[in-house]
Amino acid sequence: AQKVTQAQTEISVVEKEDVTLDCVYETRDTTYYLFWYKQPPSGELVFLIRRNSFDEQNEISGRYSWNFQKSTSSFNFTITASQVVDSAVYFCALFNFNKFYFGSGTKLNVKP
Amino acid sequence: GAVVSQHPSRVICKSGTSVKIECRSLDFQATTMFWYRQFPKQSLMLMATSNEGSKATYEQGVEKDKFLINHASLTLSTLTVTSAHPEDSSFYICSARNRGEGVFQETQYFGPGTRLLVL
Repeated sequence: AQKVTQAQTEISVVEKEDVTLDCVYETRDTTYYLFWYKQPPSGELVFLIRRNSFDEQNEISGRYSWNFQKSTSSFNFTITASQVVDSAVYFCALFNFNKFYFGSGTKLNVKP
Repeated sequence: GAVVSQHPSRVICKSGTSVKIECRSLDFQATTMFWYRQFPKQSLMLMATSNEGSKATYEQGVEKDKFLINHASLTLSTLTVTSAHPEDSSFYICSARNRGEGVFQETQYFGPGTRLLVL
């Protein structure tokens, strides 16, 4: 079965703090993709990153970084020096067998 | 990145009427598009997979006759909510599959969503 778990329902931090959003996935397949999307209050899903199952190299993009560990089936997302504009719901998703499996989302509140 | 548009962005209709939502991939061809439904403060629920030139594949529990999907071309898929009722009020999101230019380059891009309110 395919499943994505985002155990953190809501996180509140103060601006400039670092925050990590957890994502754990389940799949029996060896070939799959992992994604992170941001959904601001406007509702539009914003693509952040895609990782395929054969590329465990961690990635950094500005204040964003991702840690992919197949050994623990995790794909965690860290925002460094958070800003108010980072406030949104973040979804982790697994894509294989031609379908997306979304986690339940983590709402991030960044307070000034 | 690639752009997917949805129209309309918001729609209010009376109970019993039908509503059509369009999803377009603007700068790439999408052989497969997906339709999702999202309730407030919840995750996205896949409704159906739309394949160009063939019938859509619906997820379990989704009424085919209620939610009509037509993938008329490589850049357009439509979702028609027939005989809409207040419980159909929701946020509908489409996505288009872009196979990319190489191995492991596949990505899906999401439309901005359509908020449907049925009175």
